[in-house]
Amino acid sequence: KQEVTQIPAALSVPEGENLVLNCSFTDSAIYNLQWFRQDPGKGLTSLLLIQSSQREQTSGRLNASLDKSSGRSTLYIAASQPGDSATYLCAVRNTGFQKLVFGTGTRLLVSP
Amino acid sequence: GAGVSQSPSNKVTEKGKDVELRCDPISGHTALYWYRQSLGQGLEFLIYFQGNSAPDKSGLPSDRFSAERTGGSVSTLTIQRTQQEDSAVYLCASSLRAGDSYEQYFGPGTRLTVT
Repeated sequence: KQEVTQIPAALSVPEGENLVLNCSFTDSAIYNLQWFRQDPGKGLTSLLLIQSSQREQTSGRLNASLDKSSGRSTLYIAASQPGDSATYLCAVRNTGFQKLVFGTGTRLLVSP
Repeated sequence: GAGVSQSPSNKVTEKGKDVELRCDPISGHTALYWYRQSLGQGLEFLIYFQGNSAPDKSGLPSDRFSAERTGGSVSTLTIQRTQQEDSAVYLCASSLRAGDSYEQYFGPGTRLTVT
C-alpha cells in the first residue's frame, strides 16, 4: 500500500529565504507525482506535475525534483514571499490506478 | 473557463440525517473523482467515475456512502444516516479522461459538519 510522508509538518521562515519541502513515498511504481498548494478554506491548486520519466519540473520560483528509485521528491521555493504561505501537499499516482495518494502536508508561513 | 464547482459550500446536519453533495466538473471532462479531507486521516480517495460508471469505489468507507453520475456530467455523493466521524471537507476533481497523463483539477470543496 502506497504511503506518502511530508517533512517538515510545519515551517516558518522570513521573507526572501529559499526553502525546501520534502516528500517521500514507499512504493516506487508511480506514474507521476504532483505538488499542490491549499489555502485555508479553499480547494487544491496544482503547482507542478512530474512524470515518472522526468527528473524535475520548473515553474517560476518553484522547482520540483523527483528521484523515483529512492522514493523522494523535493519542492524548492526560491525567494519566498508572504503570499507563498499555504499548505503544500504532494500526491502520487501509482501505475495502473487513477486515484491520487496524498501526503500529510507541510504548512508554510512566510513572514514579512 | 469555469472550474470545478461544488455545492453546498457548507452543510451542517444532525446525526442520523441523510445528505447529498453535488459536483459539477469542468465542461468536457469525462473523469470525476471524490476525495475526503479530515483532520485525523488527511486527504483520502473515495471513488472515481469514467463517464457514468465507477471503476474504482475502493475508498468509500462504508455502505452508507454512495455516489452516482448521470449524463456524464454532474455527480452526487450521498451519505445516509450521517455520523459525527463523517465530518470533513469533501473535495471533487475532474480530468479530461481517466488515464495516467491527465491532470486532476479540484473544486473548492463542501465542508460537512455532523452535530
